[in-house]
Amino acid sequence: EVQLVESGGGLVQPGGSLRLSCAASGFTFSSYSMNWVRQAPGKGLEWVSHISRSSSTIYYADSVKGRFTISRDNVKNSLYLQMNSLRDDDTAVYYCARRTPLGGMDVWGQGTTVIVSS
Amino acid sequence: DIQMTQSPSTLSASVGDRVTISCRASQSISDWLAWYQQKPGQAPQLLIYKASSLESGVPSRFSGSESGTEFTLTISSLQPDDFATYYCQQYNSSPWTFGQGTKVEIK
Repeated sequence: EVQLVESGGGLVQPGGSLRLSCAASGFTFSSYSMNWVRQAPGKGLEWVSHISRSSSTIYYADSVKGRFTISRDNVKNSLYLQMNSLRDDDTAVYYCARRTPLGGMDVWGQGTTVIVSS
Repeated sequence: DIQMTQSPSTLSASVGDRVTISCRASQSISDWLAWYQQKPGQAPQLLIYKASSLESGVPSRFSGSESGTEFTLTISSLQPDDFATYYCQQYNSSPWTFGQGTKVEIK
């Protein structure tokens, strides 16, 4: 079964750090680019970051650029999001998602919740 | 950045209705547009990619079309399982922006 499972969410104080992980199974992880997408409580979807298959191409949303770092380990079939200098408005459910060659995100994890609060 | 403007924000419809949701891009995105469905407490599900290509396993009552920078998601005959929130997303250029969403409610 094709599956993505996120972990690492939790409660963190403003200015703190958190590292999210996404474990992939059921498909050849190294053959797909990957994305992080978040959703603040009661709000819409916000694309956060993209990483290509070989990590050669990386993009970030302006709202997280310079604070978040996306990475992947194709041996461990895992995607990561290192989040530093966290702010209240980073509070959200964070999803990892597989991107198809034609651009849609066809497989999503169940999400992990990040709460930034003092 | 490319802005994606969806309309309407909320739509009230009945089972069997034909439903259309619009998404306008602030500049040309070719056909690099996807549509997603999201139900409360669930992750989004891909419905349409490349503006009009139906994702495998998605019912044929869903279709997508484009005209310049205007994109449309159509549900030909609304079913009970279709009451959800729908998002468009452009992936022509980073940042890959989503529309603000359209909630389809029971009339």
